[in-house]
Amino acid sequence: DQQVKQNSPSLSVQEGRISILNCDYTNSMFDYFLWYKKYPAEGPTFLISISSIKDKNEDGRFTVFLNKSAKHLSLHIVPSQPGDSAVYFCAASAISLGGTSYGKLTFGQGTILTVHP
Amino acid sequence: DAGITQSPRHKVTETGTPVTLRCHQTENHRYMYWYRQDPGHGLRLIHYSYGVKDTDKGEVSDGYSVSRSKTEDFLLTLESATSSQTSVYFCAISGGGGETQYFGPGTRLLVL
Repeated sequence: DQQVKQNSPSLSVQEGRISILNCDYTNSMFDYFLWYKKYPAEGPTFLISISSIKDKNEDGRFTVFLNKSAKHLSLHIVPSQPGDSAVYFCAASAISLGGTSYGKLTFGQGTILTVHP
Repeated sequence: DAGITQSPRHKVTETGTPVTLRCHQTENHRYMYWYRQDPGHGLRLIHYSYGVKDTDKGEVSDGYSVSRSKTEDFLLTLESATSSQTSVYFCAISGGGGETQYFGPGTRLLVL
């Protein structure tokens, strides 16, 4: 039972254009969402997060949108750069559970983003 | 970068042998996690720790055990390695249950 899904295994965009990565979740207890970027042979690197009390969070070129009713979030990268080429993972947590959550993350399968010069 | 190291970084072993992977942190964070990454599955939680000697199972804990005798070290043991445990293993740390997790560089394990 995949509680967090990234249905696009890969995405290819031109440098300077917008990249939109999508993520869907099924567990209504999830209330905190994160995006990680991963380069080959390295560990995932935290990119941006959003709490369920918000519908948008922005950090420089990166914006995450959350649609709770649709159980959907997306990461927008504008403008895309060749250095953004990596695997992007969305992850979810149920932090409102407090002590029983322990910050455990459930990850999607990842989307390979390729940005062409 | 968060101070997290993993050792070894690469290991080849044979089926049936025990293997221990080490995660070491210098951030004095309370929470530590072990994940495995496999194609088509993203990262899946194996075990986690919420304090010294306090550990619990994650999503894919069968065949794995963990120990945490001090804050800075979290050990993952494969008691008898199987080919299905060939994977990349990542350790992560966080300061609290609602805080961002930071990942180590990973250990690539091949079980022949």
